[in-house]
Amino acid sequence: DQQVKQNSPSLSVQEGRISILNCDYTNSMFDYFLWYKKYPAEGPTFLISISSIKDKNEDGRFTVFLNKSAKHLSLHIVPSQPGDSAVYFCAAVNAGGTSYGKLTFGQGTILTVHP
Amino acid sequence: NAGVTQTPKFQVLKTGQSMTLQCAQDMNHEYMSWYRQDPGMGLRLIHYSVGAGITDQGEVPNGYNVSRSTTEDFPLRLLSAAPSQTSVYFCASVGGPGELFFGEGSRLTVL
Repeated sequence: DQQVKQNSPSLSVQEGRISILNCDYTNSMFDYFLWYKKYPAEGPTFLISISSIKDKNEDGRFTVFLNKSAKHLSLHIVPSQPGDSAVYFCAAVNAGGTSYGKLTFGQGTILTVHP
Repeated sequence: NAGVTQTPKFQVLKTGQSMTLQCAQDMNHEYMSWYRQDPGMGLRLIHYSVGAGITDQGEVPNGYNVSRSTTEDFPLRLLSAAPSQTSVYFCASVGGPGELFFGEGSRLTVL
């Protein structure tokens, strides 16, 4: 049972346009959500996060939106750059107790930004 | 600035062989974990440790063993390799809620 789902395996956008990556979750115990970025032959790196008490978090060109009622989050990248081309993983966690390191990841979305 | 170091980067095993994937971190984090990445499956938690001497199972622990004798090291042992364990393995050190620092990965092929 996939508790975190990214239904789009890939996304292709033009440089300068907006990239929107989507993620859905089913477990109501998740209270912290993150996006990780992964380049080939490297480990994933943390990109941006959001707590369940917020509905938006912004960091430069990256904004994450959380819709708790729909159990949906999205990552917006504006403007998209060729260097953003990577695999993006959505992740969720129950941040309480000793569970704060036990992330549940989505399948990943391959983003390609064309010059 | 080493961060999380994994060895080896690549390994080919025959079915039934055993091996250990090494992981070391220099960030003095108490919490460490092992994930495997498979196509279409994302990353799945194998085992984790919240401190030296303490380990617990994740989502897919079967066929793997871990121990944590020091804060720095968290090795993952494959007891009797199977083709289903062909995967890319990532060790992570946890800095805060959800904040994982990953190694570069170890690509394992079991024939």
